[in-house]
Amino acid sequence: DAMVIQNPRYQVTQFGKPVTLSCSQTLNHNVMYWYQQKSSQAPKLLFHYYDKDFNNEADTPDNFQSRRPNTSFCFLDIRSPGLGDAAMYLCATSTVNTEAFFGQGTRLTVV
Amino acid sequence: GQQLNQSPQSMFIQEGEDVSMNCTSSSIFNTWLWYKQDPGEGPVLLIALYKAGELTSNGRLTAQFGITRKDSFLNISASIPSDVGIYFCAGRSGGSNYKLTFGKGTLLTVNP
Repeated sequence: DAMVIQNPRYQVTQFGKPVTLSCSQTLNHNVMYWYQQKSSQAPKLLFHYYDKDFNNEADTPDNFQSRRPNTSFCFLDIRSPGLGDAAMYLCATSTVNTEAFFGQGTRLTVV
Repeated sequence: GQQLNQSPQSMFIQEGEDVSMNCTSSSIFNTWLWYKQDPGEGPVLLIALYKAGELTSNGRLTAQFGITRKDSFLNISASIPSDVGIYFCAGRSGGSNYKLTFGKGTLLTVNP
């Protein structure tokens, strides 16, 4: 059974139209990560949470924001998507110092 | 910031051959993870390493946590066509730093 679930698997949005991607977990892990992955590249960390403590990477654009209303759910909000934001977005969870498990990802297309 | 150098970038091998790939870090890590990613899917965890010198196997896969804590390798023995994919190493420095840093990946192609 899937332990980290991302919805939707595929998302098409218009240039400049806000979009939200969601992630849920059944593992009760206190750390959640959001990564951006472009074609043939390594996942790039956008931000991560330790419980409700938010940690933003220095080079994450202001256009990207996140919410974690509870342990199980985390959202990635892209306020004004540009063509350069088209990518696979990956959510992962872990405990403090153990392995991280990934969801299947959301492929975002910007038209 | 932390950097991971993963090599080789790509490999083309014949079915049945053994494969080795490695990662080196500019700083000490306390966790090394190896993932496989198929096209259009999220990375799937293969092996997790937590102690310097640790050698861990998962079927035909074997990975080791380097004793300097700055490197790790992954070996695949007797490769099969379904081993095709991108393999990523990832590391975490620990303490209050929960960030997981990824290598650039090794693209493996297996010719039947």
